[in-house]
Amino acid sequence: KQEVTQIPAALSVPEGENLVLNCSFTDSAIYNLQWFRQDPGKGLTSLLLIQSSQREQTSGRLNASLDKSSGRSTLYIAASQPGDSATYLCAVRNQGGKLIFGQGTELSVKP
Amino acid sequence: EAGVTQFPSHSVIEKGQTVTLRCDPISGHDNLYWYRRVMGKEIKFLLHFVKESKQDESGMPNNRFLAERTGGTYSTLKVQPAELEDSGVYFCASSPYPLDNEQFFGPGTRLTVL
Repeated sequence: KQEVTQIPAALSVPEGENLVLNCSFTDSAIYNLQWFRQDPGKGLTSLLLIQSSQREQTSGRLNASLDKSSGRSTLYIAASQPGDSATYLCAVRNQGGKLIFGQGTELSVKP
Repeated sequence: EAGVTQFPSHSVIEKGQTVTLRCDPISGHDNLYWYRRVMGKEIKFLLHFVKESKQDESGMPNNRFLAERTGGTYSTLKVQPAELEDSGVYFCASSPYPLDNEQFFGPGTRLTVL
């Protein structure tokens, strides 16, 4: 049974700092991995999608890496800004379409 | 292009009542998913439609939950009768064919059962 864990559960950093969010999964037979952000009271916004054959994806200040064999993904945020404050969720897709989510990392970027 | 929309945004009902949640996926998306997040827990899968057919309903908690997708367009999720433990946020997501495309989520419906 696939389980997804995100560490840390919460993170507070000063503005401008580079940071890394971690996601691990127990079953390496994934099809893809998706990172989302969720603002309080809002829905999920897709940030990056990494297919199982890919090692990383980049979008602006965000870079996500995937190491399937070790069951890990990281989301790197460069030069963090207060507007980056949100909950970041990692989700993996095994066979079929359903996503299996981690509990999320709540990020706070202080001005 | 309009995103995934959900209605209502918030519903408060009493235990034993019936509630119907609606999801309108992005136009042209064959795949439609329902997920929910109960307090303090991670988001969990409920079911997956491909067009009007249920592809996977392994996450539906019990037979008080009924999902339909009329003509492969919008979907409804009915809870009847609602119980206290059904409280949470219900998310709908959609994606185009094939399955390895990213899923786009709606804003969610917050259900409170008193």
